[in-house]
Amino acid sequence: GAVVSQHPSWVICKSGTSVKIECRSLDFQATTMFWYRQFPKQSLMLMATSNEGSKATYEQGVEKDKFLINHASLTLSTLTVTSAHPEDSSFYICSPRDRYYEQYFGPGTRLTVT
Amino acid sequence: GENVEQHPSTLSVQEGDSAVIKCTYSDSASNYFPWYKQELGKGPQLIIDIRSNVGEKKDQRIAVTLNKTAKHFSLHITETQPEDSAVYFCAASEGSGGSYIPTFGRGTSLIVHP
Repeated sequence: GAVVSQHPSWVICKSGTSVKIECRSLDFQATTMFWYRQFPKQSLMLMATSNEGSKATYEQGVEKDKFLINHASLTLSTLTVTSAHPEDSSFYICSPRDRYYEQYFGPGTRLTVT
Repeated sequence: GENVEQHPSTLSVQEGDSAVIKCTYSDSASNYFPWYKQELGKGPQLIIDIRSNVGEKKDQRIAVTLNKTAKHFSLHITETQPEDSAVYFCAASEGSGGSYIPTFGRGTSLIVHP
């Protein structure tokens, strides 16, 4: 089956610093990547969608300069939270989709900004 | 855009009982309805899905039913076990390839008491 990895699984950083989260599809090619944010006891909120080699499309209200998404290859996408603040603390989940439009989810990254 | 309502938000059952989670959607063009199970601290995992040309689908103890006229679909879990305890999300989308972006319900926290 499809295997998706995310690294790190959890990270604590100080306010004002940047954090990079990596998402890899280990046994399939992700033609599209979705990035979600999930607050405690809430549903998944789509942040942005990216296709390999193209700029990401951000959802309304998501700052593209704060949440940098790179989808440089068919197996790797990164989300960088720049100048993180405590309100950015959340659970970030990547979701790659293969060319057959099957969507999978990574295990998530717990970000805590102090 | 699509709007998905999910009920109940919390469901508590005794081991061995059945559990039913219901979702309604607003966009009549939606034709793909997946269900995801999310355990604490992990990403969602697809457990079953149904397309609009099918009214019911079953996989061992789980089943999904779809009523396109009424625009609602349900997840049924029979003979529940403690390991079924998790948050379940429904989603709806128009599965037309590149434009397919699912809309998620708010989730149902299922608690199965031994």
